[in-house]
Amino acid sequence: GAVVSQHPSWVICKSGTSVKIECRSLDFQATTMFWYRQFPKQSLMLMATSNEGSKATYEQGVEKDKFLINHASLTLSTLTVTSAHPEDSSFYICSADGTSGASYEQYFGPGTRLTVT
Amino acid sequence: DAKTTQPTSMDCAEGRAANLPCNHSTISGNEYVYWYRQIHSQGPQYIIHGLKNNETNEMASLIITEDRKSSTLILPHATLRDTAVYYCIAMNYGGSQGNLIFGKGTKLSVKP
Repeated sequence: GAVVSQHPSWVICKSGTSVKIECRSLDFQATTMFWYRQFPKQSLMLMATSNEGSKATYEQGVEKDKFLINHASLTLSTLTVTSAHPEDSSFYICSADGTSGASYEQYFGPGTRLTVT
Repeated sequence: DAKTTQPTSMDCAEGRAANLPCNHSTISGNEYVYWYRQIHSQGPQYIIHGLKNNETNEMASLIITEDRKSSTLILPHATLRDTAVYYCIAMNYGGSQGNLIFGKGTKLSVKP
């Protein structure tokens, strides 16, 4: 099946610094990728939709200047958490649209655990 | 996209079939039913999806009622590795961005 990777798998950073998370579709091209955030014991919450070659679409309540998304190629989307604070500590998960044929298919990465100290 | 309702948690004995129900009474005619699962601290894993007909793959079977208002995911021989949160999602592919909206899911605990 289709594989999506994320890097790094975990990161610890100091408050005020920025962190970049990469999401790659390894064996397929994805014009659309999605970024989710998951806090402990909660479900995944969609943060933004990333479209190759255009600006990302952010969900209500997600600060676009704080969570910078770049989708520069059909296999790579990046999420940069700028000026991170402890409340940004979370599990960040990306997914890629691998649709083929008549029905929709979305594949998820393994997630990146961010801890801000 | 239609709202889905799932039990909060379920237990299943190892080796037995796990039957996970999902209610989607407001599903529209062009919405698919998707099932994903998330093992602790991992990204969600696609299991199966269907529109009207029952579906089976190497992981599970999906039984959709004739009126499409509910469905059941069946893991025929549950193992300890099937312990996870299972999400049932109804989504209209045609014309939408395709973003999956996750509810709380069902936490399945497979016990020895």
